[in-house]
Amino acid sequence: GDSVTQMEGPVTLSEEAFLTINCTYTATGYPSLFWYVQYPGEGLQLLLKATKADDKGSNKGFEATYRKETTSFHLEKGSVQVSDSAVYFCALADGGTSYGKLTFGQGTILTVHP
Amino acid sequence: GAVVSQHPSRVICKSGTSVKIECRSLDFQATTMFWYRQFPKQSLMLMATSNEGSKATYEQGVEKDKFLINHASLTLSTLTVTSAHPEDSSFYICSARVQNDYTFGSGTRLTVV
Repeated sequence: GDSVTQMEGPVTLSEEAFLTINCTYTATGYPSLFWYVQYPGEGLQLLLKATKADDKGSNKGFEATYRKETTSFHLEKGSVQVSDSAVYFCALADGGTSYGKLTFGQGTILTVHP
Repeated sequence: GAVVSQHPSRVICKSGTSVKIECRSLDFQATTMFWYRQFPKQSLMLMATSNEGSKATYEQGVEKDKFLINHASLTLSTLTVTSAHPEDSSFYICSARVQNDYTFGSGTRLTVV
């Protein structure tokens, strides 16, 4: 079945540091890939997405490129802020008949210190 | 954008009672709604997929008689936790697919005492 693997957390950075959160996936067919962010006690918010190979999703300074050859969708940001502290989830949506359900990675807790 | 309203945001109930969680799509019609459960510091586990007007599809290991899902209209899906026990305490989140995106409710923190 489909699966998503994220780098182990938690990740602790100083403000303005460079961020990378690794994400790799296993899927049949051609999935769409997503990054979601979750703030404490809240639901998930879409951060960015990519729907086909070599697409780059970007939003609020975050970027991720859909790499089919390495089955990866790593999240990057050049300069993190304290307000970026949250839990980040990588996810994929299958393109098959399972109503397009999302499969999530285990989540990575990011803490940014001033 | 598409919004899913989920309530209650928090509920505390006694062991043995039932709790209903509602998710409403406010400005779109949600043919399909997904229900997730999230344990502290863990990922989201898909519990079931509900489709308007038909029976929900439950993931393996999820008790359908305990977690009753109803999707009677295109704007409302409900999850009822029946005869709740402390081990059912968790964070429950609904999600609807909107074209090629997914929108999530804000979640319900259920505590069973």
